[in-house]
Parts: sequence; C-alpha cells; structure tokens
Amino acid sequence: GENVEQHPSTLSVQEGDSAVIKCTYSDSASNYFPWYKQELGKGPQLIIDIRSNVGEKKDQRIAVTLNKTAKHFSLHITETQPEDSAVYFCAASKGPKLTFGTGTRLTIIP
Amino acid sequence: DTAVSQTPKYLVTQMGNDKSIKCEQNLGHDTMYWYKQDSKKFLKIMFSYNNKELIINETVPNRFSPKSPDKAHLNLHINSLELGDSAVYFCASSQAHGGGTGELFFGEGSRLTVL
Repeated sequence: GENVEQHPSTLSVQEGDSAVIKCTYSDSASNYFPWYKQELGKGPQLIIDIRSNVGEKKDQRIAVTLNKTAKHFSLHITETQPEDSAVYFCAASKGPKLTFGTGTRLTIIP
Repeated sequence: DTAVSQTPKYLVTQMGNDKSIKCEQNLGHDTMYWYKQDSKKFLKIMFSYNNKELIINETVPNRFSPKSPDKAHLNLHINSLELGDSAVYFCASSQAHGGGTGELFFGEGSRLTVL
C-alpha cells in the first residue's frame, strides 16, 4: 500500500519567515495530494491540495509543489504568523483511500 | 451549524468494556470515514463507507465494528476494549469525485481512554 513520509517532525520559525515541509510517497499511481492543518483539540482541516496533472499551486501565503518523477511534494508557507502554529499533515491518495504523513508540528516564534 | 459531529467527545472506560462512538454529517456527502490518531499524532484510516456500503476495511481487529444506518451516519462500536485502543477517533466525510477522496471534513474527535 501507499507509504507517506514527512519531514521534519518539528519546525520552529521566526514570525515573518518562511516554513517548508516536505513529503515523499511510494505509490506512483497516487494522484491527489492534500495538506491538512490540525489545531489543538480540533480535527484536521484542508488548507490546500494539488492533483498529479499540476506541478504547483498557490493560495495567498501557502503554496504546494509536486515532483511526480521524484515522488515528493512540499508545502511552503511565507510570511508566517502566530496563527500558523499547528500540526500539518501531508497526504496522498489514489481512489478512495487517503494515506497521511506522520505530521509536522510547526511553531511560530513571535 | 456543525458539519460533522461526533459523540461523545470524551470517553473513559475500563478494559474489557464495550463502547460506541456516534457520527453524523449534514453535508449531504456520500462517503464517511473513521480515522484513529494515536499519542504520536499518527492518523490512520480504519474504515470507509460509501452510501452505506463498506469500501475500506484496514487491518483493524474485529473487535471494531462500524455501522452505517444511512449515508449521514457512521457509528463505531468497540468490543472488549484494550489499553492500546486509547486514542482520538476522528469521523470524516467527503463527496468523492472521479473515484478520488475529495476534501475530507473531519469532526472534532472523540478521545477514548481505556484504564
């Protein structure tokens, strides 16, 4: 089955700096790659996603890049703010099964 | 108006007991899921139902039995609880397109503690 690895497991950045989280996946047939943000005591929430026919997608301060050949994708957050502090999960799917990465705890230092 | 709601939010029980967690979604989605999140925050899929039909059944002990009375509800019953069942259980729903999952909408989770 699909295996998704995510790095780093923890990340601290100064407010205003950029944060990058990287994921690799094992199944070359996977075609959908979402990113979820989980705040304390809440369920994960989708923040951005990308499909395999696109190499990059941007939504305000958040961008995702996908390299299908290397089977890796990354989340980029620019101009980080305190409310960006949370656990971030990448995920990959083909068909109905979404496999999550191991999560990155992002802390924004004021 | 809560889109995906789970009850109870917290559940503390003794080993060997049987317990249920209920989930309801008012988004009109066809697909519902149960995920387990352990103490290290790993999110692992357990089950998925599409229009009341089981479509994903991961390697989960048969002490766990999902039930979907209609496409808006997916309940999880757990028999003979063990210490290792302690976790946060998340219900989610999605309106899949073209065979993919689409966006998953998660509930707030049910924290199960087995003593």
